[in-house]
Amino acid sequence: DQQVKQNSPSLSVQEGRISILNCDYTNSMFDYFLWYKKYPAEGPTFLISISSIKDKNEDGRFTVFLNKSAKHLSLHIVPSQPGDSAVYFCAASRDYKLSFGAGTTVTVRA
Amino acid sequence: SQTIHQWPATLVQPVGSPLSLECTVEGTSNPNLYWYRQAAGRGLQLLFYSVGIGQISSEVPQNLSASRPQDRQFILSSKKLLLSDSGFYLCASRTGANTEAFFGQGTRLTVV
Repeated sequence: DQQVKQNSPSLSVQEGRISILNCDYTNSMFDYFLWYKKYPAEGPTFLISISSIKDKNEDGRFTVFLNKSAKHLSLHIVPSQPGDSAVYFCAASRDYKLSFGAGTTVTVRA
Repeated sequence: SQTIHQWPATLVQPVGSPLSLECTVEGTSNPNLYWYRQAAGRGLQLLFYSVGIGQISSEVPQNLSASRPQDRQFILSSKKLLLSDSGFYLCASRTGANTEAFFGQGTRLTVV
């Protein structure tokens, strides 16, 4: 049962433009959400998180938006840079369990 | 921050052979520990998590098992590997429920 879904397997964006990655979840009990970035053959690295009591969190070029009523969150990367090319995973947490989506591969074009 | 050590980095094993992957954590105590698997072209599937020594929660019925013999040690095992066990195995650690997870560098397992 996939409780965290990233329906777009890939995204291509021009350097300097905005990247928007989307994530949906089905379990309304999730109360903490995270985004990770992953390069091939490496472990994921943490980017940004948001608690369910907030609707926005910003850290430098990264902003995460949470819409609890829609069970939807998104990650905005502005401006996109070549080093942002990677797989991005959305994750959701309830207590100690941490579930991930299938990932979105982002390619930043020069 | 925490450092997660996983070894080996790559492993090629024949079908039917046993498996033991070890993960150790530095920089924290009493962490919540996780094993994930990423199959080729797929997302991160949660296999096991542990909130303390000897406490293991299994998420997916399968050919694998996990153990936590020490506070900062998490082991993934199999008695007889299947071809479908091939994948990229990741260990992760968290200090609490609403915190980020730190990942190791992963083990690429190929069952032949």
